[in-house]
Amino acid sequence: EDQVTQSPEALRLQEGESSSLNCSYTVSGLRGLFWYRQDPGKGPEFLFTLYSAGEEKEKERLKATLTKKESFLHITAPKPEDSATYLCAVQPKYNFNKFYFGSGTKLNVKP
Amino acid sequence: DGGITQSPKYLFRKEGQNVTLSCEQNLNHDAMYWYRQDPGQGLRLIYYSQIVNDFQKGDIAEGYSVSREKKESFPLTVTSAQKNPTAFYLCASSMNAGTEAFFGQGTRLTVV
Repeated sequence: EDQVTQSPEALRLQEGESSSLNCSYTVSGLRGLFWYRQDPGKGPEFLFTLYSAGEEKEKERLKATLTKKESFLHITAPKPEDSATYLCAVQPKYNFNKFYFGSGTKLNVKP
Repeated sequence: DGGITQSPKYLFRKEGQNVTLSCEQNLNHDAMYWYRQDPGQGLRLIYYSQIVNDFQKGDIAEGYSVSREKKESFPLTVTSAQKNPTAFYLCASSMNAGTEAFFGQGTRLTVV
């Protein structure tokens, strides 16, 4: 069964305190892994797509990495405006339209 | 301004009534999706459509129906057969199957 687990469920950081969010997955052939950011009451906003183990992508203070079983979203020197829920989703090779989402990590960055 | 527009933002429904959620996009995307989001759970796929006049069931299609008569529009009807309809509903579109999805701002449906 295709499944995505994100940890921790919630994370509190002080401004400037770097950390990592984890996304573990099992899928029948991975086509892509997607990271999104979601603010309260809003729709998710696309951040990154990763397609193969060893791939890395960066955007400002965020860096996403991918292995064969998990992905990490590293947040370097976070700011309060980075506070949000971060979602990951896997896309299986057998159906490009099916994205399986984790339940997210709620990040709170305190000034 | 290109994007996806969902309306209304909040919707209240009495038990036993059908209700239709609107989703319009002006991104010229081929694929469109409907997801449901419940507290503490990941987004779950209700229906998706790759082209006009064609759509497929997702993982939780029971109690829902859709249509895709125009490329820009993908309305979702929540029928009285849906046992637990109170949720946050998200519409998304992508250029084609499998590319990154762009989401609307969501509709929060409450059954009273």
